[in-house]
This record gives sequence, structure tokens and C-alpha cells, in this order.
Amino acid sequence: DVKVTQSSRYLVKRTGEKVFLECVQDMDHENMFWYRQDPGLGLRLIYFSYDVKMKEKGDIPEGYSVSREKKERFSLILESASTNQTSMYLCASRREGQGYEQYFGPGTRLTVT
Amino acid sequence: AQTVTQSQPEMSVQEAETVTLSCTYDTSESDYYLFWYKQPPSRQMILVIRQEAYKQQNATENRFSVNFQKAAKSFSLKISDSQLGDAAMYFCAYRSAFTMKTSYDKVIFGPGTSLSVIP
Repeated sequence: DVKVTQSSRYLVKRTGEKVFLECVQDMDHENMFWYRQDPGLGLRLIYFSYDVKMKEKGDIPEGYSVSREKKERFSLILESASTNQTSMYLCASRREGQGYEQYFGPGTRLTVT
Repeated sequence: AQTVTQSQPEMSVQEAETVTLSCTYDTSESDYYLFWYKQPPSRQMILVIRQEAYKQQNATENRFSVNFQKAAKSFSLKISDSQLGDAAMYFCAYRSAFTMKTSYDKVIFGPGTSLSVIP
């Protein structure tokens, strides 16, 4: 079974703090994703990585950065957390190629106060 | 740009009954993939079913089946013999069949439908 894990299920941070969310997958997938999930908005893509050290901006990259130094690990960084970044963050991985589905982590519920 | 719409924010079904969740999408592409994902409360999102647009036959996975109407751009999910474990948020998603390694091939998610199962 594909396993995607995220470093925290719940996280509470203060405004202005630097926040690191980590994601690890164990199936040697080339593609990894960070999404933000908000009620009524579905999933919105923050960043995508198609290979080690490679990244592409998604729909809402502002205020976020990412790092992928190893194939199995994809980190999301909030440089200076703000209250409007309070949300559920989902990591996903996928094998490269047509038609493959994404495998999701359990999510991190981040609250910024 | 592609869009995915799920017009039912919430639905409920009696245990053992059948329920249909609606999804419509907009695209100018002829080849693509459609997915239904399930997100149970506090649990990981998982794939329920996948449909390739070039296949006329509707996909089926046990109690889950789809009604894929390509011309109408409709992709509904039918859950038969509903069980308590089916209670979840369901997301419809679209993915283009055209992929390039160096750019992300976007998966478009709908806003989701929250399904409750009544014992």
C-alpha cells in the first residue's frame, strides 16, 4: 500500500512565525503536491513538484514556498504565518504518467492565531 | 480553463438505500480522466473510482458506479446499498490526459458533497 505521511495532524502557530509542514511518501512517486482545503472551495493547489529540486507554482502560491531535496520528501513552508493561512493542508503523491491517481496524506490542520 | 461543479453541498441517504451524487465539468479537451475521491471524517482521502473519457463503458467498483455522459459533461456517482462507512465528503476531480514532465498537469477538484448515512 502507498503510504503518505504528514508530520503533524494539528498545529497551532502564532502570526509571523515560520512554519514547516513535512510530507513523506514511500512509493517512489515522482510527483508530489501540496493542497489547501477550505469548506466550499474544494482543494486548491499550492505547489507541485515533478522531480527532486523541481517545483511549479499552483493556483495559490503566495505566502508559501516548498522544498524537495529528496524524492520521498516534500516540505511546505509558510515564511511568515498569517491568520488567513488557517486551513487544512493536504499532501499528495502520484506516479508520473497518464491517468494515475493521487495518494493523499492524512492532512495537517493548521491554526494561526 | 477547466472547471468542476458539484451542485449538492450536502446529501443524506438511508442505510441500504441508493444515492447519486452529481458532478458536472467544463472542458474543451477530448481526452481526460475523471475521478471520485472519498474523504471520511478525520481520515485520508482515497480514490473511489476512475473513468477514462475515451471509454464509453461506465466504470464500476463493487457498490460504486458512475454515469458518465461525455456530451453532457456529466459524471455522477451512484452508491448502492449504502453503508454507515460511506459517510464522507466526496470530491469529483478532472485531470487532462495531456501530460508533460516539466509542467504540472493539473487536477481540478470540485467543492465536494458531504454525504450522511442515516441508520
